[in-house]
Amino acid sequence: DTEVTQTPKHLVMGMTNKKSLKCEQHMGHRAMYWYKQKAKKPPELMFVYSYEKLSINESVPSRFSPECPNSSLLNLHLHALQPEDSALYLCASSQDDTYYEQYFGPGTRLTVT
Amino acid sequence: AQSVAQPEDQVNVAEGNPLTVKCTYSVSGNPYLFWYVQYPNRGLQFLLKYITGDNLVKGSYGFEAEFNKSQTSFHLKKPSALVSDSALYFCAVRPDGGPQTGANNLFFGTGTRLTVIP
Repeated sequence: DTEVTQTPKHLVMGMTNKKSLKCEQHMGHRAMYWYKQKAKKPPELMFVYSYEKLSINESVPSRFSPECPNSSLLNLHLHALQPEDSALYLCASSQDDTYYEQYFGPGTRLTVT
Repeated sequence: AQSVAQPEDQVNVAEGNPLTVKCTYSVSGNPYLFWYVQYPNRGLQFLLKYITGDNLVKGSYGFEAEFNKSQTSFHLKKPSALVSDSALYFCAVRPDGGPQTGANNLFFGTGTRLTVIP
């Protein structure tokens, strides 16, 4: 199974809402990633978890809060977002955080109104 | 600083013709190089990678890429293009080294939209 799943596929939320994005993989990968991708742009790294510990936070605003409950799951908690946060949020995983390729989920299309 | 350049925003090729999507990189230390493809409203799919060894790397769906250290390039190629190859292609690099070099970060190029014309 080389699949990374993400839920929900689409999410519309107001600026005062709290919501969560979920990501799951069952490949035994020990590194998981959150990326943000705006239209016609490359993905931008937000967070890296390595062996369930946060190893990289690319200066992401605190209204985005990642969580890694176990080695298969990755959440992204959202609170008080701004319209400019609307984007495709991609989750990825890799065997570890070295030179292994990353496998991406299909993404969650987030719209902040 | 680490960077990846994809000099062409758009590449058009006739079906059955060979295709090339260009990528050059700048990284401290040895590079790990990747190609990904993205179809509309989808996540990225891994195509191939260069870590070490043979400069010609073969990947999924008939794609290959050649690592050229002197030209710091990693161009993606396919001998005969299919209409279904039409998509957005990203080159990515990560440096070889510890976290202080950004080695945990995958640096993406800006993407090249490939259109294969029937």
